[in-house]
Amino acid sequence: QKEVEQDPGPLSVPEGAIVSLNCTYSNSAFQYFMWYRQYSRKGPELLMYTYSSGNKEDGRFTAQVDKSSKYISLFIRDSQPSDSATYLCAMRTANTGNQFYFGTGTSLTVIP
Amino acid sequence: EAGVAQSPRYKIIEKRQSVAFWCNPISGHATLYWYQQILGQGPKLLIQFQNNGVVDDSQLPKDRFSAERLKGVDSTLKIQPAKLEDSAVYLCASSLVYYEQYFGPGTRLTVT
Repeated sequence: QKEVEQDPGPLSVPEGAIVSLNCTYSNSAFQYFMWYRQYSRKGPELLMYTYSSGNKEDGRFTAQVDKSSKYISLFIRDSQPSDSATYLCAMRTANTGNQFYFGTGTSLTVIP
Repeated sequence: EAGVAQSPRYKIIEKRQSVAFWCNPISGHATLYWYQQILGQGPKLLIQFQNNGVVDDSQLPKDRFSAERLKGVDSTLKIQPAKLEDSAVYLCASSLVYYEQYFGPGTRLTVT
């Protein structure tokens, strides 16, 4: 079983839609949960990180972590064509030196 | 603040040849990572440095891959000899705090 599972999509939505992206994981020791956005031929860019369970909001983006279900989500409100990218989830334990585990990424296209 | 710099951006080599990638992390970031990202997959950690010491190289194919980080700043990743399956994007990332990473633009390697 992979440490992190993520539906690769592709996901195509009309402009203005609410987008929901999700990852599941198997390691209950994960404490830090990150979402990265990766444009074509670019490196991943950190969007948000969340520690342990709960919600975090930043503008049009909301990250949710449900540790009891080992499930994390990223919601994008009022999606824009500029949001078209691959979204990667990543997570790690709280131990210094432990590696990040990435999902495979979900490809999102927002249609004008 | 300058980001993570990588060079070259693109490289095409024949199998059995050698290649080297260079990374300059964000100033002051003690932790440096090299990842391999195959098309359609998430980044896979190859090696992690803390200053100039190796923290994790468990997924580095040591028979052909090597990496060093002299003086705890710049780093080079070398492949010798290259195989067809090494075709991927090689990403360098750095971090100051262990729950955040900042990625460079990557080097796209094609092995023919």
